[in-house]
Amino acid sequence: NAGVMQNPRHLVRRRGQEARLRCSPMKGHSHVYWYRQLPEEGLKFMVYLQKENIIDESGMPKERFSAEFPKEGPSILRIQQVVRGDSAAYFCASSQSGPKNTEAFFGQGTRLTVV
Amino acid sequence: AQKVTQAQTEISVVEKEDVTLDCVYETRDTTYYLFWYKQPPSGELVFLIRRNSFDEQNEISGRYSWNFQKSTSSFNFTITASQVVDSAVYFCALSGYNNNDMRFGAGTRLTVKP
Repeated sequence: NAGVMQNPRHLVRRRGQEARLRCSPMKGHSHVYWYRQLPEEGLKFMVYLQKENIIDESGMPKERFSAEFPKEGPSILRIQQVVRGDSAAYFCASSQSGPKNTEAFFGQGTRLTVV
Repeated sequence: AQKVTQAQTEISVVEKEDVTLDCVYETRDTTYYLFWYKQPPSGELVFLIRRNSFDEQNEISGRYSWNFQKSTSSFNFTITASQVVDSAVYFCALSGYNNNDMRFGAGTRLTVKP
């Protein structure tokens, strides 16, 4: 039973480019969460999605960031026109039945470096 | 508002010492969940424990133990007879019943020296 899979593990982008981060949840999980970890800090919630729906995007910057979780395929976190301040580790987590009833399992993260 | 405070930024111990990592939280929810995660140097997040607000029993798992004190809003984590492999950053997190996210503390970096 594979865990939460994130790819790529490391991503380097030049300022102004687009970054696409992928997250495949654990089998049977339909709830996905994205978190950002800045260097030497804890994780900060960004967005919570169920299949085809954004449930809570209160932690997502209003501009340049978007997330989707299509019916088929992985969840995608997209960052357009990246800036140096976007350099961070981005973690995806998934759960079976929503945040209130089960713990979320985290992927290994994608480390984005903007040069 | 929900908040998690891990006052200890870094702790260094020698192997076989016991060490306690502090976690203090704030929430207005009466139902909430508390978590501990370990982040080793490789970077992934390893789930250690989840505890709901109605269960104040302390828990022991091998060398790990957790002390949940609702009266002081604390959920401390103790490693007994620490080992070098315990070296990692440890995060405490809180999820309120009406929230969709977990609020993480800033983490405590534990270094266990041989």
